[in-house]
Amino acid sequence: AQSVTQLDSQVPVFEEAPVELRCNYSSSVSVYLFWYVQYPNQGLQLLLKYLSGSTLVKGINGFEAEFNKSQTSFHLRKPSVHISDTAEYFCAVIFETGSARQLTFGSGTQLTVLP
Amino acid sequence: GAGVSQSPSNKVTEKGKDVELRCDPISGHTALYWYRQSLGQGLEFLIYFQGNSAPDKSGLPSDRFSAERTGGSVSTLTIQRTQQEDSAVYLCASSLGRNNEQFFGPGTRLTVL
Repeated sequence: AQSVTQLDSQVPVFEEAPVELRCNYSSSVSVYLFWYVQYPNQGLQLLLKYLSGSTLVKGINGFEAEFNKSQTSFHLRKPSVHISDTAEYFCAVIFETGSARQLTFGSGTQLTVLP
Repeated sequence: GAGVSQSPSNKVTEKGKDVELRCDPISGHTALYWYRQSLGQGLEFLIYFQGNSAPDKSGLPSDRFSAERTGGSVSTLTIQRTQQEDSAVYLCASSLGRNNEQFFGPGTRLTVL
């Protein structure tokens, strides 16, 4: 079965420190990769996406992610976090099988930035 | 419209009642998706529409759940004889095509008492 794993359910980090949120998926088929952010009581907002081309993608708010096909990973990074980055982050994958192309989500990582 | 809209934003209902949730996608988006977000199950796919047809209903949890889309635009998700385990936030998303970025609405929070 195709799945997406976010190993870290909670990541506390001090302001201005770097952060990496990990995401792995299990499939050998072609994939499209996304990171979404959800602020409290709000909907999902796209941070960045990988569809094709360069494996290093840059998104909004200074975030970036790198697609590693051999390790089936798409880790999210930011060199210096702010208090306002506190939110839940979801890795999501479209597996190129079937007809729907729905997003399969990881279980989410709560990022808490401490002053 | 500028974004995906959903109504109502909150719905409280009694067990056994039917509910209808509405989604207005971004104009011109041909693909529409329903997802459910709950504490125990995370974010789950429910159903996908391409135009007015739903080629994949595999995510619907039971036959109490149904959805339709008319005019290639508005979609309604109907839950019949609601149960407490149906309590969740129901999210709608739309995209230009199957592999494109999906834009999410704010969701409908359903509480079944």
